[in-house]
Amino acid sequence: DVKVTQSSRYLVKRTGEKVFLECVQDMDHENMFWYRQDPGLGLRLIYFSYDVKMKEKGDIPEGYSVSREKKERFSLILESASTNQTSMYLCASSSWTSGSYEQYFGPGTRLTVT
Amino acid sequence: SQQGEEDPQALSIQEGENATMNCSYKTSINNLQWYRQNSGRGLVHLILIRSNEREKHSGRLRVTLDTSKKSSSLLITASRAADTASYFCAFYSGAGSYQLTFGKGTKLSVIP
Repeated sequence: DVKVTQSSRYLVKRTGEKVFLECVQDMDHENMFWYRQDPGLGLRLIYFSYDVKMKEKGDIPEGYSVSREKKERFSLILESASTNQTSMYLCASSSWTSGSYEQYFGPGTRLTVT
Repeated sequence: SQQGEEDPQALSIQEGENATMNCSYKTSINNLQWYRQNSGRGLVHLILIRSNEREKHSGRLRVTLDTSKKSSSLLITASRAADTASYFCAFYSGAGSYQLTFGKGTKLSVIP
C-alpha cells in the first residue's frame, strides 16, 4: 500500500517563526504536492514537484517555499509564519508512469500560528 | 484555476438511504475523480471515471459523467454511518496539467 506520512499531526508556532513541514512517501512517486485546506475554500495547491529539485508554483505560493532534495521527501517551509497561515496542510503524491492519475494523501498537519 | 462546484454543500440522511452528490466543472477534462475525507484526516481516492465513460460502479458507489453538461454525480447506495465524511470531486484542468483541481466538497452525515 502507498504510504504518505507527514511529520506532525498538530503544530503550534508563533508569528515570525520559521516552520518546516515534512512529507515522505514510500512508493517511488515522481510527483509530490502541498495543499492547504480551509473551511469554505476547499483544497488549494501551494506547490508541487514533478522530479527531484524541480518545483512549480500552485495557486497560492506566496509566503511559502519548498524543497525536494530526495525523491521520497518534499518539504514545505514557512519562512516567517503569520496568523493567516493557520490551516490544515495536506501532502500528496502520485505517479503517472503507471497510467494512474490518482493522488495519495498524507493524514494532514493542522498548523496553528499564534 | 477553476474549482469544481459540488452540490449540495451538506447532506443529512438516515442509514440505509441513498446519497447523491453532484459536481459541475467548466473546463475540458480527461477524467474526473472522487475522493472522501473523514473528519480531520487526509483524502482517500474512491473512483475515477474517464471522459469516454458515462457510468462506473465500485461496490456501493456509482459515478456518472456527462461531458456535454460538464457534470458528474456520485451515488452511494444503502448508506452506513461509516460513510459520514466529506466528498470531493477532482479533475485535471487542461492538457498536460499536473494540477488536480478540487471542488469544495459535500459534507455527508449518515444518521444511524
